[in-house]
Amino acid sequence: GENVEQHPSTLSVQEGDSAVIKCTYSDSASNYFPWYKQELGKRPQLIIDIRSNVGEKKDQRIAVTLNKTAKHFSLHITETQPEDSAVYFCAAMGSGAGSYQLTFGKGTKLSVIP
Amino acid sequence: EPEVTQTPSHQVTQMGQEVILRCVPISNHLYFYWYRQILGQKVEFLVSFYNNEISEKSEIFDDQFSVERPDGSNFTLKIRSTKLEDSAMYFCASMGRVPFFGPGTRLTVL
Repeated sequence: GENVEQHPSTLSVQEGDSAVIKCTYSDSASNYFPWYKQELGKRPQLIIDIRSNVGEKKDQRIAVTLNKTAKHFSLHITETQPEDSAVYFCAAMGSGAGSYQLTFGKGTKLSVIP
Repeated sequence: EPEVTQTPSHQVTQMGQEVILRCVPISNHLYFYWYRQILGQKVEFLVSFYNNEISEKSEIFDDQFSVERPDGSNFTLKIRSTKLEDSAMYFCASMGRVPFFGPGTRLTVL
């Protein structure tokens, strides 16, 4: 099955700096890669996603890049703000053989220091 | 904006008891899921449901777990005989173009 590795597990940045979180996946059939933000005690909230026919996608301060050949994808947050502090999860989903389950990484705890 | 809803928000039960967790997916979605998150850990896939039957399940989803869609709107997860290690947050999700998660049910097994 799919295996998703996520790094780093914790990340501290100064307010205004950029944050980068990286993930790798194992199943070349995976073709959908969402990123979720989870605040303490809350649900995972979709913040951005990318499909395998696209190399990069941007939404205001958030961007995601995908390298299919290397099987890795990254989340970039620019001009970080204290409210960006949360746990971020990457995930991968394939459609091979009708598989539509999301496999999550272990999460990155981002702390933005004011 | 439509949302996935779940009830109850918190369930406390004794070991060995049965629990039923309830979810109302977004109405035009076709895929439904249950995920589990043990405190401080990652979100783990349990089961997916499509066209009124289980589509996939993980090794966590053993014989003590079952899912059903009893009335065309609710989607339930039943744990027949709860164990201490079942204590976790259980998230329901439904997928149209993308998966959306419900707010979760915190299950505490004593």
